[in-house]
Formats: sequence, C-alpha cells, structure tokens
Amino acid sequence: GESVGLHLPTLSVQEGDNSIINCAYSNSASDYFIWYKQESGKGPQFIIDIRSNMDKRQGQRVTVLLNKTVKHLSLQIAATQPGDSAVYFCAENEGGGNKLTFGTGTQLKVEL
Amino acid sequence: EAGVVQSPRYKIIEKKQPVAFWCNPISGHNTLYWYLQNLGQGPELLIRYENEEAVDDSQLPKDRFSAERLKGVDSTLKIQPAELGDSAVYLCASSSSTGGTEAFFGQGTRLTVV
Repeated sequence: GESVGLHLPTLSVQEGDNSIINCAYSNSASDYFIWYKQESGKGPQFIIDIRSNMDKRQGQRVTVLLNKTVKHLSLQIAATQPGDSAVYFCAENEGGGNKLTFGTGTQLKVEL
Repeated sequence: EAGVVQSPRYKIIEKKQPVAFWCNPISGHNTLYWYLQNLGQGPELLIRYENEEAVDDSQLPKDRFSAERLKGVDSTLKIQPAELGDSAVYLCASSSSTGGTEAFFGQGTRLTVV
C-alpha cells in the first residue's frame, strides 16, 4: 500500500548547526503533513504542519518544506540544540479524513 | 488543559493472559486513535474512532484485539490472549475534527509479554 518513508535513519549534527531531516511520501492523495518529535519514553509531540496548498511554513527555529512534484517533505531545524535530540517522524494525512500514516523516523543526535 | 491520558504506563504480563489499556482523550476531541509502536519504528494505526464509531479498524487483529469507545469519550483497547509479539508501546491520540488536524498523543503504555 501507500507509505511514508525517510531517507536517513540517523543524523548527527554539531550543536549550533542547522539540521535537515527528509521524508518521502508516495500517496498523492495526502493533503496534510505533520512533523512529530519523539523523545525516549514519551509520545510523539507535534512540531509543525503544512497543507498541500503550501510549499513552505515556518515556526520557531523550524521550517517545513513540501515539494509535491517529487513527493518530498523536509524539516529544517535552525541552530540545533541538545534538547533537539530525539526521533523525528513525518506523518501524512490522506485527503478528506483523519487517517494519519507515519514514516519510520530519523534519529537526530546533537553533538556538543 | 490536560493532554491525552493513558494508563497504565507500564504493564508486564505472561503470554496467553488478557490485558487492557485505557485512554482519556483531550476534552472535545471527536477523533481518537490507537497506535502500536515497535522499537525503532513509527506508530502504526490499529483503529480510529470518530465519536463512538470505529471508522478504520482494518489494521486491528480482530482475533485477539478489541476496542471500544462508549459514549464517544474514553476508550479501551484489549488484547486476549496476549502473545510474545504483542510487546510494544500502545499509543493513544486524539484530534479535534475531520479534514486533517494535528493529533495529540498520550505517553503510551509499554506492554511486555513474557
């Protein structure tokens, strides 16, 4: 069936650098995308979302880019901090409902 | 505002025993999800409710798993009998409306079947 996947399972960055986490999706019917952060022993925490009628959305230190042509989603974290260390998941919502499908996740490690 | 509340946080049971998980969603949220998360993987949907109606249970192993959401608020997920392969984290989430909105997650219940 349709799936959401990530290119890199682990990403290591230096504190203060920018991080980019990528996600590929295959369901062309998806119209809403969310990035979640999950720390050890906790449930996923909402970071930022974007709808398919947009190609960029910015939050505090985070930016999500959506390229519908190649079905690609990315999360950019500016000035990465130790507290950003976690697993990051992209999730897609198929059009017309609340069916949320997750990718496999990327482990972000911030080195001091 | 309280978030999604799940209990218990941890559960250890012997195989073939029954187990139940409870979830209290955010007040006013009509949509409730149960997800299963294996170590190192993303959450996988088990069942989704819109109010008290299960609108997507295609991934729920119905031979041993059951769920209910009486009155469209709290929900329980049951496994009977549990198998070793059921060891995982069971996550509950809720969202406010249809059409695509963020889902808020609880802390999860970590189940260990021995």
